[in-house]
Amino acid sequence: AQKITQTQPGMFVQEKEAVTLDCTYDTSDQSYGLFWYKQPSSGEMIFLIYQGSYDEQNATEGRYSLNFQKARKSANLVISASQLGDSAMYFCAMRPQYGGATNKLIFGTGTLLAVQP
Amino acid sequence: EPEVTQTPSHQVTQMGQEVILRCVPISNHLYFYWYRQILGQKVEFLVSFYNNEISEKSEIFDDRFSVERPDGSNFTLKIRSTKLEDSAMYFCASSHRTGRSHEQYFGPGTRLTVT
Repeated sequence: AQKITQTQPGMFVQEKEAVTLDCTYDTSDQSYGLFWYKQPSSGEMIFLIYQGSYDEQNATEGRYSLNFQKARKSANLVISASQLGDSAMYFCAMRPQYGGATNKLIFGTGTLLAVQP
Repeated sequence: EPEVTQTPSHQVTQMGQEVILRCVPISNHLYFYWYRQILGQKVEFLVSFYNNEISEKSEIFDDRFSVERPDGSNFTLKIRSTKLEDSAMYFCASSHRTGRSHEQYFGPGTRLTVT
């Protein structure tokens, strides 16, 4: 079964410190994509970063980086230099069968990050 | 920057009524999606739509649900005979194409409350 697991329901981090949000996935597909989305309290879903299963390098987007360990089926999000505005729910998602017929995203249950001053 | 828009932001309806949730995807996008998020839970896929037809739907998307692209800009989700358990945030998303990356851009959501 295809599944995303986020084991941290909530996390605290001090402002300016780095934080890692965990994500593991389960799929038998050889080709897939992994995404992280941020959901602030206002409710919208904001795309943060993407990693393809065949990408050899870990993705980075500004202060966001994705620690992709394919053999362990993990795709952890690292946020460097946390800011108060980073406080939000963070969802890991997978798009299976890259290049196939399906485009749906499968989401994890999310991690609520609170950045403390 | 182009964005996905959704109306209304909040819809309250009585059980058994029909609702239509509206979305305007990003103009050059070709793939359209609806997801829902029950309060406090994860986001769940409902349906994907491409080339004027459904390309995939989940088990949640039963025969009470339908989608339509009535013109070149709008994408709608209709729910007939609404149930209490339909109460959720409904997100529309769009993407330019499939394959590598091509992340889905989400709208701000419509909060549906069925009473």
